Amino acid sequence: NAGVTQTPKFRILKIGQSMTLQCTQDMNHNYMYWYRQDPGMGLKLIYYSVGAGITDKGEVPNGYNVSRSTTEDFPLRLELAAPSQTSVYFCASSSKPQGFTNEKLFFGSGTQLSVL
Amino acid sequence: GQQVMQIPQYQHVQEGEDFTTYCNSSTTLSNIQWYKQRPGGHPVFLIQLVKSGEVKKQKRLTFQFGEAKKNSSLHITATQTTDVGTYFCAGRSGGSYIPTFGRGTSLIVHP
Repeated sequence: NAGVTQTPKFRILKIGQSMTLQCTQDMNHNYMYWYRQDPGMGLKLIYYSVGAGITDKGEVPNGYNVSRSTTEDFPLRLELAAPSQTSVYFCASSSKPQGFTNEKLFFGSGTQLSVL
Repeated sequence: GQQVMQIPQYQHVQEGEDFTTYCNSSTTLSNIQWYKQRPGGHPVFLIQLVKSGEVKKQKRLTFQFGEAKKNSSLHITATQTTDVGTYFCAGRSGGSYIPTFGRGTSLIVHP
């Protein structure tokens, strides 16, 4: 199993450009997440999905969009990129939580995005 | 909304010294998970605690979940340079199945 695969690993965008960060997992996980990580600020949840066709906003959704047409794929779309979106982006997936427990999150290797 | 506070933000230690990071929640947690992120890497799951007062050990790492299920700690005994990285806690509470991450504690080990 490849686990969670993110592409690209690095990208430089100009202000106002758009791009899609790709994320795919081969573990048949229901739950998928997009986080951004800024230095010293931890992981902030952008969007998440609990299954194909279902997405919901996280803590910092503004400026981003997602879709979940299949179980495997959860792309993150940036429209009109801004310098404030310079960050490292992580996609993650997990099985559905059971009762009081959560299944562990598997993270992709990340995308380092700079908006200049 | 739910908040998970983690302290300290950074910790410098000499190799061989102990290290502890603390996680506190504003609400009672259903469970808490711990992750480690090496420099330049991605977070990797370490452990999950579910029961009140639970203590789990992984070699030199000891994880505790408070009796009230509002706080947790990770203690590393006799740190090594391989322990370098950022340690995150992630807690879930209430009706949400989505964990909230703390800001992380970056451990720097000086040889």
